[in-house]
Amino acid sequence: QKEVEQNSGPLSVPEGAIASLNCTYSDRGSQSFFWYRQYSGKSPELIMFIYSNGDKEDGRFTAQLNKASQYVSLLIRDSQPSDSATYLCAVPPTDSWGKLQFGAGTQVVVTP
Amino acid sequence: GAVVSQHPSWVICKSGTSVKIECRSLDFQATTMFWYRQFPKQSLMLMATSNEGSKATYEQGVEKDKFLINHASLTLSTLTVTSAHPEDSSFYICSAIPSAPSSGTQYFGPGTRLLVL
Repeated sequence: QKEVEQNSGPLSVPEGAIASLNCTYSDRGSQSFFWYRQYSGKSPELIMFIYSNGDKEDGRFTAQLNKASQYVSLLIRDSQPSDSATYLCAVPPTDSWGKLQFGAGTQVVVTP
Repeated sequence: GAVVSQHPSWVICKSGTSVKIECRSLDFQATTMFWYRQFPKQSLMLMATSNEGSKATYEQGVEKDKFLINHASLTLSTLTVTSAHPEDSSFYICSAIPSAPSSGTQYFGPGTRLLVL
């Protein structure tokens, strides 16, 4: 069973600080990695995806990928109360195009 | 771009009735769509993969005769919950992958809350 692991949290972050979310995956063949944000009672929305080792920045979000360590992370800089949500790491299994295997999600709580 | 809609957003029905949920890609074509279910405080659970022009592929443990999926066009997939029971009450979410260009990114609809009384 290929797995995607995340700490469930909650991760409490002071407003203005950096939130750091981690995700590990077991499928060594995975090539792309997605981060989604899900507010309570809402459906997931795409934050960003990353394919290459290293960092990818988009606004206040930075995704970091290390395929050798099978590790992908998401940093949220200058955290705002509106960032309070559950963040889902998603990895496509190599044997099923289009599907995504989701982690359980990390709940982030940004405190004013 | 990459907007997915679902209708209805809320539905309440009596036990034993059938409910149809529509998923539409508004500004792109989608050969492949997915249907998920999410119970409170739990993660997304993939129910089935919907392919335009062919039969849906169901995940293990999902009853295909109970959850009927029809992907009639490149912008529309429907999920029908037949003979719904209270245990089917859940948050149903669809997603779609643009046919072209495709990075394999799934875009999610807003979800449909089903309550079976």
